[in-house]
Amino acid sequence: AQTVTQSQPEMSVQEAETVTLSCTYDTSENNYYLFWYKQPPSRQMILVIRQEAYKQQNATENRFSVNFQKAAKSFSLKISDSQLGDTAMYFCAFMGTNTGNQFYFGTGTSLTVIP
Amino acid sequence: EPEVTQTPSHQVTQMGQEVILRCVPISNHLYFYWYRQILGQKVEFLVSFYNNEISEKSEIFDDQFSVERPDGSNFTLKIRSTKLEDSAMYFCASNPQGSYNQPQHFGDGTRLSIL
Repeated sequence: AQTVTQSQPEMSVQEAETVTLSCTYDTSENNYYLFWYKQPPSRQMILVIRQEAYKQQNATENRFSVNFQKAAKSFSLKISDSQLGDTAMYFCAFMGTNTGNQFYFGTGTSLTVIP
Repeated sequence: EPEVTQTPSHQVTQMGQEVILRCVPISNHLYFYWYRQILGQKVEFLVSFYNNEISEKSEIFDDQFSVERPDGSNFTLKIRSTKLEDSAMYFCASNPQGSYNQPQHFGDGTRLSIL
């Protein structure tokens, strides 16, 4: 069974600073996909960034980047130049190719950006 | 950009009543999903649906739940004999066929409150 662990229930960061959210996962699959979703107070689930496990290069999307360590099964999210609008719940998610497109989510990290 | 739409945004129902949550997936998508998020907890998979039948379901998705695609556009989740613990945010998601590397597109959710 796939599990996703986010060990930081809450984090805070000063505006314009950098913060890293951690995520680890457990799987026996070799081909899979990893995602970070943002859930602001409006409760939408918004895709932030995704990483294919077969790609060694870390994904980057503007101020968001990941540090993907496949051997360690680690997938951290780095947010640079934090903005007030980044305040949200962040969920790490795993999708294997043998699990019918089902997502497995972590318990989330609540990030607060302090002005 | 096409979106997954869910109605209503908030549903209040008396315990024991039946409720139907509605979703309109993105038009060319063929995989459909329901997820649940109890307040303060992680997003949990309920069921996936493809080719007019359930392809996978979690242990949460018992006989109290059913899904249906009554026409070419809607995808519904029916909860019979609702219980207090059914109070949660319910998210619908959809994916194009065969696109394992595409993230599921989530709707904004329906907040279900059982009284």
